[in-house]
Amino acid sequence: KNEVEQSPQNLTAQEGEFITINCSYSVGISALHWLQQHPGGGIVSLFMLSSGKKKHGRLIATINIQEKHSSLHITASHPRDSAVYICAVQFRNYQLIWGAGTKLIIKP
Amino acid sequence: NAGVMQNPRHLVRRRGQEARLRCSPMKGHSHVYWYRQLPEEGLKFMVYLQKENIIDESGMPKERFSAEFPKEGPSILRIQQVVRGDSAAYFCASSPRTESIQYFGAGTRLSVL
Repeated sequence: KNEVEQSPQNLTAQEGEFITINCSYSVGISALHWLQQHPGGGIVSLFMLSSGKKKHGRLIATINIQEKHSSLHITASHPRDSAVYICAVQFRNYQLIWGAGTKLIIKP
Repeated sequence: NAGVMQNPRHLVRRRGQEARLRCSPMKGHSHVYWYRQLPEEGLKFMVYLQKENIIDESGMPKERFSAEFPKEGPSILRIQQVVRGDSAAYFCASSPRTESIQYFGAGTRLSVL
């Protein structure tokens, strides 16, 4: 069983739709990261969470430590949001265990 | 304040050659992490270094791979006698402290012919 499970694996939506990507994990963690990987391959850190909720622009990330679950939401989605979104959990203070990623395509 | 800089972006090597991948962390960051992303797979932790010290190399293959982060200069990931299975994207990240967000470089794509 993978320690970090993301769903859905692939997601296609129309511009403007509200997007939700889920992440469940099975290990005790010190933090959870959401990252974005564009087709060119570069990785951008979006959020680092240990509790509650964080918001940055149109992106919102939430985490429920008791349920070992996190969600990434995108409001008013745009084609430039098309990318792979990766959830990674941090344990032993620094080591990241990565989910397989969610490939998001936003159509104009 | 420049981000994490990795070079080269693309590296082509023939089987048996050596590959040297460089990572300059963000200014003020003394913690460096290396990850490998094999084709169609997620990232996997390789090694965690602080200045002049290897803290955790549990994700590094036991042979042919080595990493260093000298007092001066970039961190280097070195792969000796490369094989086709080493073809992957290698990402470096840095952070100012252990329990803080990691900032990623653009990666080095290694192709072994």
